[in-house]
Amino acid sequence: KNEVEQSPQNLTAQEGEFITINCSYSVGISALHWLQQHPGGGIVSLFMLSSGKKKHGRLIATINIQEKHSSLHITASHPRDSAVYICAVRGSGGGADGLTFGKGTHLIIQP
Amino acid sequence: DAGVIQSPRHEVTEMGQEVTLRCKPISGHDYLFWYRQTMMRGLELLIYFNNNVPIDDSGMPEDRFSAKMPNASFSTLKIQPSEPRDSAVYFCASSPGFLGNEQFFGPGTRLTVL
Repeated sequence: KNEVEQSPQNLTAQEGEFITINCSYSVGISALHWLQQHPGGGIVSLFMLSSGKKKHGRLIATINIQEKHSSLHITASHPRDSAVYICAVRGSGGGADGLTFGKGTHLIIQP
Repeated sequence: DAGVIQSPRHEVTEMGQEVTLRCKPISGHDYLFWYRQTMMRGLELLIYFNNNVPIDDSGMPEDRFSAKMPNASFSTLKIQPSEPRDSAVYFCASSPGFLGNEQFFGPGTRLTVL
């Protein structure tokens, strides 16, 4: 079973700061997802990637398949970015098509 | 599209009672997933279906849990009998056809077993 580790577990920053959240996994994957869970509990998919980099607005996600590592970056952070960010991976074959999740990074952006 | 619909949103029950959680996936999505989220364990996959057929139920904690998908637009997760340690948020998610697609999550059902 894949082990998914996220760091940091908790992060508090000031509005405008550049944010980086890291995710490492132990076994080869077919895809990696970054999810955002709002304070109300709803989960939204931010990115799904299997190689390279993706950008959406102020969010950037990168993945290094060889190093089994992904990062989520937030530029010009804003209080509305405060949420739990969860990394999840999908196996590369022979197992569940569901996701294995990291424990999440609790991000607070202070005005 | 209304997205993935789950009901009820909140459920409070007493230990030993039967609990049924319901999910309507996004129309046209071939995959349906049930997840459980707790403070201690985070998000965990319980079971998933492909074209209404259960593919992997290895995450189902024990025989008290069962899931069905009688048709493409409806799935249930049943707990009988319920126990306090089953208290969690249960999410349903759906995904179109094949591997590598984004999953769309429902709002979740918050279950409290007293």
